[in-house]
Amino acid sequence: KAGVTQTPRYLIKTRGQQVTLSCSPISGHRSVSWYQQTPGQGLQFLFEYFSETQRNKGNFPGRFSGRQFSNSRSEMNVSTLELGDSALYLCASSLGTANNEQFFGPGTRLTVL
Amino acid sequence: GENVEQHPSTLSVQEGDSAVIKCTYSDSASNYFPWYKQELGKGPQLIIDIRSNVGEKKDQRIAVTLNKTAKHFSLHITETQPEDSAVYFCAANRDDKIIFGKGTRLHILP
Repeated sequence: KAGVTQTPRYLIKTRGQQVTLSCSPISGHRSVSWYQQTPGQGLQFLFEYFSETQRNKGNFPGRFSGRQFSNSRSEMNVSTLELGDSALYLCASSLGTANNEQFFGPGTRLTVL
Repeated sequence: GENVEQHPSTLSVQEGDSAVIKCTYSDSASNYFPWYKQELGKGPQLIIDIRSNVGEKKDQRIAVTLNKTAKHFSLHITETQPEDSAVYFCAANRDDKIIFGKGTRLHILP
């Protein structure tokens, strides 16, 4: 069974630009969660999508948005990039029922210059 | 909302010794507590988890204990080996919203 894949693995953008990250979950998984990982703040929950609907949301500004497609693949978009958005963005997939194990992808390393 | 505190932030132990990482949580409704290991350049990987109706769980050299009354849980690694060197995260889950601790960097000294 293939694991969670994320593309691209590395990305360099400049302030003010926007970026779209992609996550393909494990086959059969309907839930995709996104996290931001930084040295200072650790792993912070962005949002979770289940069956194409946002089911949970963290405390991030509206510049961070996402969506999920009918095949459960998910994209995350960040608009008007700021230097502080530089981070490792991780997605995790799960079956989506209560307290299921989340399987993480390798992450996308975003650098904002 | 839920808040998870994790200690220590860095831990160095001699190979063969035991390592203990402790976490506390604030939301008494949290009912699932996974532990993740993250190696350099990789995403976190689940190593063990415990649900709120259980006080202890063991898997070979790894064990987790949960004290619901005190709202704290701990990871115990015995007979540590070089490949145990990594960053470990505890987490508390309520309604599929997982809140992570800040992580513990574990160094296994030769």
